[in-house]
Amino acid sequence: EVQLLESGGALVQPGGSLRLSCAASGFPFSSYALTWVRQVPGKGLEWVSSITGGGRSTYYADSVKGRFTISRDNSRNTLYLEMNSLRVEDTALFYCARVRVPAALADSFDSWGQGTLVTVSS
Amino acid sequence: DIQMTQSPSTLSASLGDRVTITCRASQSIDNSLAWYQQKPGKAPDLLIYKASSLESGVPSRFSGSGSGTEFTLTISSLQPDDYATYYCQQYHSYWTFGQGTKVEI
Repeated sequence: EVQLLESGGALVQPGGSLRLSCAASGFPFSSYALTWVRQVPGKGLEWVSSITGGGRSTYYADSVKGRFTISRDNSRNTLYLEMNSLRVEDTALFYCARVRVPAALADSFDSWGQGTLVTVSS
Repeated sequence: DIQMTQSPSTLSASLGDRVTITCRASQSIDNSLAWYQQKPGKAPDLLIYKASSLESGVPSRFSGSGSGTEFTLTISSLQPDDYATYYCQQYHSYWTFGQGTKVEI
């Protein structure tokens, strides 16, 4: 069974930093691209960032480019999102998700974690 | 950037109704479209990929159609478990979600 478990969400002040983690199990981790999607409570879904299986290629939404960094440790089956210069508008539930097809990037997301809440407030 | 527009934003329907949700892309995305269902407090679930392919385990009352810029999600006979919010997503160029359609009683 595919499992994705996010952690690291917290209350942080504007301008602060935070690192999210997503521990994966139940599938060949390095074979799949992974992604972060966020959702403001009560609002819609927003793609944040994606990374290929080997970690060589990364992609970011314009809203986070230059502030967030996605990475992965394939030896630990863990995905990360380093978030710097956090803004109030970054407040959201952050999900990690798996791209559906092995070795593919441009596809849908077939498995999701339960999310971790990031609150940016003074 | 590709924008995705769903309609309606809210849909009131009764058990057994045939329900249709529309999603329009700001430019052609071929068939690079997915549909998700999200219930309160839960992560989204993939229903449809490649515009019309049913994800494993998803009931056959769900179907998707379309290509290019216009797509539809149809629920043939609404069941109690189907009351939820539905999102379309394009993955032709990066990833973009529609704003969601809430299906309520």
